[in-house]
Amino acid sequence: SQTIHQWPATLVQPVGSPLSLECTVEGTSNPNLYWYRQAAGRGLQLLFYSIGIGQISSEVPQNLSASRPQDRQFILSSKKLLLSDSGFYLCAWTRGERGTDTQYFGPGTRLTVL
Amino acid sequence: GQQVMQIPQYQHVQEGEDFTTYCNSSTTLSNIQWYKQRPGGHPVFLIQLVKSGEVKKQKRLTFQFGEAKKNSSLHITATQTTDVGTYFCAGLAGNMLTFGGGTRLMVKP
Repeated sequence: SQTIHQWPATLVQPVGSPLSLECTVEGTSNPNLYWYRQAAGRGLQLLFYSIGIGQISSEVPQNLSASRPQDRQFILSSKKLLLSDSGFYLCAWTRGERGTDTQYFGPGTRLTVL
Repeated sequence: GQQVMQIPQYQHVQEGEDFTTYCNSSTTLSNIQWYKQRPGGHPVFLIQLVKSGEVKKQKRLTFQFGEAKKNSSLHITATQTTDVGTYFCAGLAGNMLTFGGGTRLMVKP
């Protein structure tokens, strides 16, 4: 069976510090991978998606970046965090194209920027 | 761009009462998905609707896709405390999947 991991589970970082969140998927190959952000009590905002190694599409301009160094690894980064980067970061994967297939979400990382 | 609106944003119900959340899209959708997110958890897929006018049931949950494929609803009959959480719809138009803002359901025992 397929599983998706995210770490860390929670993170408290000062403004201006760097960020690296990691997501890995097990039990499948060539997944489509996604990073979402959810502000407290709000909906899901798609940040990045990837259909393959080294292929990243950005949905919104921001000070975040994403990379996919391996088939089942997706990393979300920032060089300098802003207060507005606080939120719940969710990684997700699909077998097929986004929207035509079920999105499987990871457990998420709660980021607080102080 | 495509917008997907969900109403209400919050809903308090007494256990045993029914609950409905509505999802409306600014554009015609190819399909619509529904997800449930328990407090402190991550979204979990519930169902996908594809056909115009489609109705699907999962125990006490009934999902409908509008005839024009621009709206959808989720109805829960006789809510239970285990139904607590936020329910999201996500609509696909072209290659854009857009999530609604969610409806947070709170159930008083």
